[in-house]
Amino acid sequence: QLQLQESGPGLVKSSETLSLICTVSGGSISSSVHYWDWIRQPPGKGLEWIGSVYYSGSTYYNPSLKSRVTISVDTSKNQFSLRLNSVTAADTAVYYCARQRVDIFVDYWGQGTLVTVSS
Amino acid sequence: SSELTQDPAVSVALGQTVRITCQGDILRGYYAGWYQQKPGQAPILVIYGQNNRPSGIPDRFSGSASGNTASLTITGAQAEDEADYYCNSRDSHPNHVIFGGGTKLTVL
Repeated sequence: QLQLQESGPGLVKSSETLSLICTVSGGSISSSVHYWDWIRQPPGKGLEWIGSVYYSGSTYYNPSLKSRVTISVDTSKNQFSLRLNSVTAADTAVYYCARQRVDIFVDYWGQGTLVTVSS
Repeated sequence: SSELTQDPAVSVALGQTVRITCQGDILRGYYAGWYQQKPGQAPILVIYGQNNRPSGIPDRFSGSASGNTASLTITGAQAEDEADYYCNSRDSHPNHVIFGGGTKLTVL
C-alpha cells in the first residue's frame, strides 16, 4: 500500500522559507503514470493545489504561487520536496503531499502537516 | 485560470438521496473528481472520471456530468457520509489542477 509522509518544521517565521519533504513508501516515485503534488488547506478553508513534479523533474505550479514556489524530486531517496519563499501569515495551512494520476485525479494523500507562519 | 463552483452547504435526511454539484466551463471538456474530507483527516478520492469508484468506496456514491456541471450523488446517505466534499479537474493549462470551494454535507 502506497504511503506518503510529510516532514519539516511546523513553525516558520514571516518572510522566511517554508521547506517540506514528502517520503514515498510502498511504491516508486519513478512511475511514468503519476505526478507528485503539494496541496494546502488553510484552517477552515478549502483545498489549494500548489504544484506538481514528475519523476523526470518537470514541474507545474499554481500561477498564484509560481514566483515563490520550488518543487523538486529525488528519485534515489523516493522523496519530493517543497520550498515556499517569503512566507506570510496567509501561508499558514495544512500542507499535504499527494500522488496525482495522469488523468489529474489525486488518489493517495499524506496525513498532512500544519505549518504556522509566525510574525 | 478556470474556476469550479460548489454550493457551500447541503443537507440530506438519513437514508435519502443527495446530489452535490460542481460547475465550471472547464467541465465541458474534462471530467471531475470528487473527494470526501472528514474533520482532521486528509481527503480521499471517492469518484473520478466518467463514474469510477476507487476500491473500497461504497456503491451508493456515483458521479455524472452534463454540460458545465459535474454531480456527485449519494443514494441512501448514511451518517458517516457527513463530511466536506470537493470536486477537482484540470485547469485551462492541462497540467494544472483546480479544486472547487467545497460543499459541507450534513446528514440529518
